[in-house]
Amino acid sequence: GESVGLHLPTLSVQEGDNSIINCAYSNSASDYFIWYKQESGKGPQFIIDIRSNMDKRQGQRVTVLLNKTVKHLSLQIAATQPGDSAVYFCAENMPRSGGYNKLIFGAGTRLAVHP
Amino acid sequence: DTEVTQTPKHLVMGMTNKKSLKCEQHMGHRAMYWYKQKAKKPPELMFVYSYEKLSINESVPSRFSPECPNSSLLNLHLHALQPEDSALYLCASSSSRGGRSNSPLHFGNGTRLTVT
Repeated sequence: GESVGLHLPTLSVQEGDNSIINCAYSNSASDYFIWYKQESGKGPQFIIDIRSNMDKRQGQRVTVLLNKTVKHLSLQIAATQPGDSAVYFCAENMPRSGGYNKLIFGAGTRLAVHP
Repeated sequence: DTEVTQTPKHLVMGMTNKKSLKCEQHMGHRAMYWYKQKAKKPPELMFVYSYEKLSINESVPSRFSPECPNSSLLNLHLHALQPEDSALYLCASSSSRGGRSNSPLHFGNGTRLTVT
């Protein structure tokens, strides 16, 4: 289940189950969204991205869903494994010209996978 | 291993010291970024360079001074820091194909900075 407190919200799942991590973004003009995984002592690692003209994108074991109406993003992980345990961040891009991003991160969710 | 290399991995400095953080990438990316991350918090944007020019400064105090000597290197010069500046400093880069911004940032593993 999910718990929210003074620390990062945590989603606890059993190994082999599917995981769904949710994210509410803030800017209706954001045009590009990315999910990152961050393990302890490491930098954020790219998982999957989606542009605002799409509502679903699939990768290997991961799917991102975008609902622009309610400004909601979700990451689905199929057959969750212990190696998926990490903190997951969504990030939204504020549109820019000039060939760079202004990427703003959400608060993050810790995924804990139990055997 | 990441394709963005940050040195040093750890740094302890006093409030009167001057030090520099270094970042290097050889992916041909022309946009480079500094982010600051406190424990249990998301990364916060500090600076963005595009084609070696400073494009975004998110109202960062002047005790942090970025520098982009060439398209592969990014430095962050530190002077007269405060203990509350202790954090993980992350460097990232992204492609600038056709001037569009819709390409992911690639992050290094960061420099863990402690200010005493």
